[in-house]
Amino acid sequence: AAGVIQSPRHLIKEKRETATLKCYPIPRHDTVYWYQQGPGQDPQFLISFYEKMQSDKGSIPDRFSAQQFSDYHSELNMSSLELGDSALYFCASSPHQGGNTDTQYFGPGTRLTVL
Amino acid sequence: AQSVTQLGSHVSVSEGALVLLRCNYSSSVPPYLFWYVQYPNQGLQLLLKYTTGATLVKGINGFEAEFKKSETSFHLTKPSAHMSDAAEYFCAVSEGSNTGKLIFGQGTTLQVKP
Repeated sequence: AAGVIQSPRHLIKEKRETATLKCYPIPRHDTVYWYQQGPGQDPQFLISFYEKMQSDKGSIPDRFSAQQFSDYHSELNMSSLELGDSALYFCASSPHQGGNTDTQYFGPGTRLTVL
Repeated sequence: AQSVTQLGSHVSVSEGALVLLRCNYSSSVPPYLFWYVQYPNQGLQLLLKYTTGATLVKGINGFEAEFKKSETSFHLTKPSAHMSDAAEYFCAVSEGSNTGKLIFGQGTTLQVKP
């Protein structure tokens, strides 16, 4: 079965650089979630999209922005990178916005290292 | 606001022994609860979830969890641990809005000794 695809899997950037993370949801899933997992931490919700519209927002820095495109893939753009942005970034998708009960299927994550 | 507490950041069991990972939640509305497993350098995989109905939920790999409203708990159990169960386990609650974002606990690392 198709899974959530994230690219790149690993990314190394310098401070103050920008990064773009991509997420391709499972086919026919129209809802995408982004989470950030710092070293030894639990995943923290960043932002979500449903049918290309932002549906919810968590503790996402103003330096970060995201969008969902017409083919439902999503991109997380991160600017002015800081050392503290080093983390594993997960994307998850679900079939439709029923919200609370829909299973979120997670991708393998993008490991971002900021030097 | 909803929150999740996992008691014990590390749990060690012998192969074949009972696995018990504890999760307590706080919620002002009926919660939807999930257990996810994370193997090293991999994404999160759903083990099981509780939404409504039967309070004992069975998941993959022989795991099950019981929703106890009176105790605000959703502990994860497996009768007999296998070496392949060694991983990080996260309990999560779906936030009260309609968007389904997950609030995770701090995670429990399960070690299985031969």
